[in-house]
Amino acid sequence: KQEVTQIPAALSVPEGENLVLNCSFTDSAIYNLQWFRQDPGKGLTSLLLIQSSQREQTSGRLNASLDKSSGRSTLYIAASQPGDSATYLCAVLGPSGTYKYIFGTGTRLKVLA
Amino acid sequence: DTGVSQNPRHKITKRGQNVTFRCDPISEHNRLYWYRQTLGQGPEFLTYFQNEAQLEKSRLLSDRFSAERPKGSFSTLEIQRTEQGDSAMYLCASSTTGGAGETQYFGPGTRLLVL
Repeated sequence: KQEVTQIPAALSVPEGENLVLNCSFTDSAIYNLQWFRQDPGKGLTSLLLIQSSQREQTSGRLNASLDKSSGRSTLYIAASQPGDSATYLCAVLGPSGTYKYIFGTGTRLKVLA
Repeated sequence: DTGVSQNPRHKITKRGQNVTFRCDPISEHNRLYWYRQTLGQGPEFLTYFQNEAQLEKSRLLSDRFSAERPKGSFSTLEIQRTEQGDSAMYLCASSTTGGAGETQYFGPGTRLLVL
C-alpha cells in the first residue's frame, strides 16, 4: 500500500529565505509526482508535475526533484515571500495500475514579512 | 476551458439529512475523481469514473455514499443520512487518459458541515 509522508508538518521562516520541503513515498512504481498548493479553505492549485522518467521540474522560484529509487521528492522555494504562505501537498499517482493520487498530509508554510 | 466547477461551494445540513454535490469537469476530460479532505489531512481518494463507468471505489465510500456520472460528463455525489463525521471538503478532479503525464485538475471543492 502506497504511503506518502511530508516533513516538516509546519514551517515558519522570515521573508527571503530559501527553503526545502520534503516528501517520501513507499512504493517507487509511480506514474508521476505532483506538488500542490492549498490556501486555507480553498481547492488545490497544481505547482509542478514530475513524470516518473524525469528528475526535476522548475517553474519560476520553484524547483522540484524526484528520486524514484529512494522514494523521495523535494520542493525548493527560492527567496520566499509572504504570498507563499500556504499548505503544500505532495501527491503520487500510482503504483502502476491505479490512477488515484495518494496525498501526504502537507507542510503548512508561513513566511513572515 | 473554464476549469473544474463544483456546486454548491458550501453546504450546512443537519444530521440525518441527504445531500447531493455536483461536479462539472473540464470538457472532454474522460476521467473524473472524487476525493475527501478532512481538517489537517491531505485529500483521500473516494472513487473515479472513466466516461460513465465507475472503475474504482475506496473503502471510505460507505453504503451511504453513491456517485454517478450518467452521461460521462458531470457527476453527482450523494450522501444519505449524513453523520457529523461526514463533515469535510469534497474535491472533484478531472483528467484525460495520459499515463505518466496525466495531470488531475482539481475544482474548488464543496465544504460540508453536518450539525
